[in-house]
Amino acid sequence: DTAVSQTPKYLVTQMGNDKSIKCEQNLGHDTMYWYKQDSKKFLKIMFSYNNKELIINETVPNRFSPKSPDKAHLNLHINSLELGDSAVYFCASSQAGGGKETQYFGPGTRLLVL
Amino acid sequence: SQQGEEDPQALSIQEGENATMNCSYKTSINNLQWYRQNSGRGLVHLILIRSNEREKHSGRLRVTLDTSKKSSSLLITASRAADTASYFCATDASGGYQKVTFGTGTKLQVIP
Repeated sequence: DTAVSQTPKYLVTQMGNDKSIKCEQNLGHDTMYWYKQDSKKFLKIMFSYNNKELIINETVPNRFSPKSPDKAHLNLHINSLELGDSAVYFCASSQAGGGKETQYFGPGTRLLVL
Repeated sequence: SQQGEEDPQALSIQEGENATMNCSYKTSINNLQWYRQNSGRGLVHLILIRSNEREKHSGRLRVTLDTSKKSSSLLITASRAADTASYFCATDASGGYQKVTFGTGTKLQVIP
């Protein structure tokens, strides 16, 4: 049973397209996150939701729009994809927010924009 | 930026040797965590140490925290080939809310 799952695992698309990445966690956690990991393995938080409410919104272009239909799901929609969006996107969840809780990561979605 | 920096960036050792990785950060923290990332996978939590703790053990892992120097170290004893991975420290700044900042990572290679 996968605790945090993401789909798709790989995404190859053209510049200018719109795409979505889905994330689901079956751990009963209240908090979910989206991270971006670039080619140098630098992992940067993008968004955090707690019980469907946006808590953290880092300096991310507004082409990126997260949506949390319920606390078990946090999807990421990206409009007008650019070359610089190519990266690995990780979803994660934790029981509560903050650094006192272990975060559980999904397997990642490898996005390549051509 | 609170981003931690790991040192060294890359480390290659023989199986059975110990591996030590260091993490430095900039502002006061509540907690510091270490995560492992195998190639092509998501991060896996290893250990959490609170700001009022100085040392913590978990199996072959030993973590130390020196808040006066704003640094932490992760020691893996008797390394195995399966320990080959990237290791990241993650901190949450005091007064911050729900934001955990990951370091730049140390890539460890354990040669059988």
